Amino acid sequence: NAGVTQTPKFQVLKTGQSMTLQCAQDMNHEYMSWYRQDPGMGLRLIHYSVGAGITDQGEVPNGYNVSRSTTEDFPLRLLSAAPSQTSVYFCASSQRQAPYEQYFGPGTRLTVT
Amino acid sequence: GESVGLHLPTLSVQEGDNSIINCAYSNSASDYFIWYKQESGKGPQFIIDIRSNMDKRQGQRVTVLLNKTVKHLSLQIAATQPGDSAVYFCAETVYNQGGKLIFGQGTELSVKP
Repeated sequence: NAGVTQTPKFQVLKTGQSMTLQCAQDMNHEYMSWYRQDPGMGLRLIHYSVGAGITDQGEVPNGYNVSRSTTEDFPLRLLSAAPSQTSVYFCASSQRQAPYEQYFGPGTRLTVT
Repeated sequence: GESVGLHLPTLSVQEGDNSIINCAYSNSASDYFIWYKQESGKGPQFIIDIRSNMDKRQGQRVTVLLNKTVKHLSLQIAATQPGDSAVYFCAETVYNQGGKLIFGQGTELSVKP
């Protein structure tokens, strides 16, 4: 199993640009989440999904959209990038039976100039 | 708002010594706690969890202690090894409220050979 994969690994955007961060998992996990991690801080939940077709907001959802059309994929869209969105983004997945034993991807480092 | 925080942002220990990483939480409703380990350039990795009906839980070389009276959580690592060098995060949640983990700031553990 590849586990949780994220692409790209690095990205630089200009203010106002849009892009999609990709996340995929091959463990057939029902739950998937997106977090951002800022320097010296813990992870903050952006959006999450408990199954295909179901998404909900986390702590810091503004400026981001998600969709979950398949169990495997959970893309994160930045609608109009802002410098405040410069961060490292992590995708995670887990089983319904153990929702907090999350498996994290390697992260995407995003810089918005 | 509710928060989870750590007393020490950095901890340096000698190889072979025991390490203790502390965490304070403020949400008295939280009933489930997790420790994650994050190595440089990687996503967090689940280490151990504990429910609020327990005071102590042991894993392989790790022990988590929970003191609900003072809302304090600690992670003890026995015989610390260089491979234990990482940032350690505690996280809290109310277990049946849909997968929203609140992460603490993190403690960086450095193991000296």
